[in-house]
Amino acid sequence: DAKTTQPPSMDCAEGRAANLPCNHSTISGNEYVYWYRQIHSQGPQYIIHGLKNNETNEMASLIITEDRKSSTLILPHATLRDTAVYYCIVRATQGGSEKLVFGKGTKLTVNP
Amino acid sequence: DAGVTQSPTHLIKTRGQQVTLRCSPKSGHDTVSWYQQALGQGPQFIFQYYEEEERQRGNFPDRFSGHQFPNYSSELNVNALLLGDSALYLCASSLPGLAGGRSTDTQYFGPGTRLTVL
Repeated sequence: DAKTTQPPSMDCAEGRAANLPCNHSTISGNEYVYWYRQIHSQGPQYIIHGLKNNETNEMASLIITEDRKSSTLILPHATLRDTAVYYCIVRATQGGSEKLVFGKGTKLTVNP
Repeated sequence: DAGVTQSPTHLIKTRGQQVTLRCSPKSGHDTVSWYQQALGQGPQFIFQYYEEEERQRGNFPDRFSGHQFPNYSSELNVNALLLGDSALYLCASSLPGLAGGRSTDTQYFGPGTRLTVL
């Protein structure tokens, strides 16, 4: 079973920031938070991951609370092409390659 | 830099038949994982191959089998197809390890193969 809880759907206006929340209250010390997104019928696309510090890359920012029980993915200026299902996944990564356990994700719709 | 590729894109089979799906990992990656995604659901882990051996397996019957070749490419085989095997089959590749103390073990997905069983 997935270790994360996400809202089933969210809406965002084009050009505004999209803030996608994720709860992972049972996260262990060696587990990372990963975010992927899946545009209709395509393969999931890796966005970002982090352990305890906030992370930023060219796609998004990841904010992890100090107790690590929740996180927020931020798309700073959402476009129509950001409409997708966003998956938050917690996963242990210690040099091995642990499987990804997907939940149902959040369906983000960016409106013009 | 080529990403993960999968073939074929689409496939239609009938119940009882057998199917083979193929995956070429991202350049430099040596680990391949397979996932099944039914309509409206998140992907589910089938199994993972590393050094030509099955390293992990999800809750799938023995009808699902795989293989990894010396060039790290992989095949997924499904025997005795059932209607419920209709799904998008995804391949993901990764390179386990650490770089500068930070995990580099991110899985990158291919576009998938859409299998329809009639």
